[in-house]
Amino acid sequence: ETGVTQSPTHLIKTRGQQVTLRCSSQSGHNTVSWYQQALGQGPQFIFQYYREEENGRGNFPPRFSGLQFPNYSSELNVNALELDDSALYLCASSLGGSGSTGELFFGEGSRLTVL
Amino acid sequence: AQKITQTQPGMFVQEKEAVTLDCTYDTSDPSYGLFWYKQPSSGEMIFLIYQGSYDQQNATEGRYSLNFQKARKSANLVISASQLGDSAMYFCAMTDFSGSARQLTFGSGTQLTVLP
Repeated sequence: ETGVTQSPTHLIKTRGQQVTLRCSSQSGHNTVSWYQQALGQGPQFIFQYYREEENGRGNFPPRFSGLQFPNYSSELNVNALELDDSALYLCASSLGGSGSTGELFFGEGSRLTVL
Repeated sequence: AQKITQTQPGMFVQEKEAVTLDCTYDTSDPSYGLFWYKQPSSGEMIFLIYQGSYDQQNATEGRYSLNFQKARKSANLVISASQLGDSAMYFCAMTDFSGSARQLTFGSGTQLTVLP
């Protein structure tokens, strides 16, 4: 186990609703990244938080937003859900800063289904 | 922009045999890192091995080794002595060191099945 925990593990929403996914990072890690993995595809980078600030973002619209808390846990919020948002959402923690090779430790993911 | 290509959607290997999973990459950055992750059906991405672009020797971690051919831009994963528990999805990924975020770009994956 990586020590990264995500909740909830599964959830079902309807189109137009909002969802919040949560992640507790591995002890000592100050960086959290979120990835979206559609069925049969590799994960796609959503954004990364380092010491409570967003310091990188992939090609996702503004309705995907996030937070990182002082204890380095994190939330991913998605507003106005669309059918294509159905996916496995993976949280990954790492030790950021200069010299970091970027090795990520992933949680088991939150599987979101949008009906 | 970075790109990872995994051309083998599925692979089969006999238990105790070795298997090579292919990965090619494309980047204009001189400094980058290459990763392999294993994803069982539970969904968790498990880190296997890392290779830096300036590393002189191929990375090894137990039964995993990375066959890094920089000129060909390939980073194949070799699993020796396959075990039934190795059956899973395998992803090749890369990051560059040009910015502060350590964003990984993943390939589409290879589904490995180990046969008894």
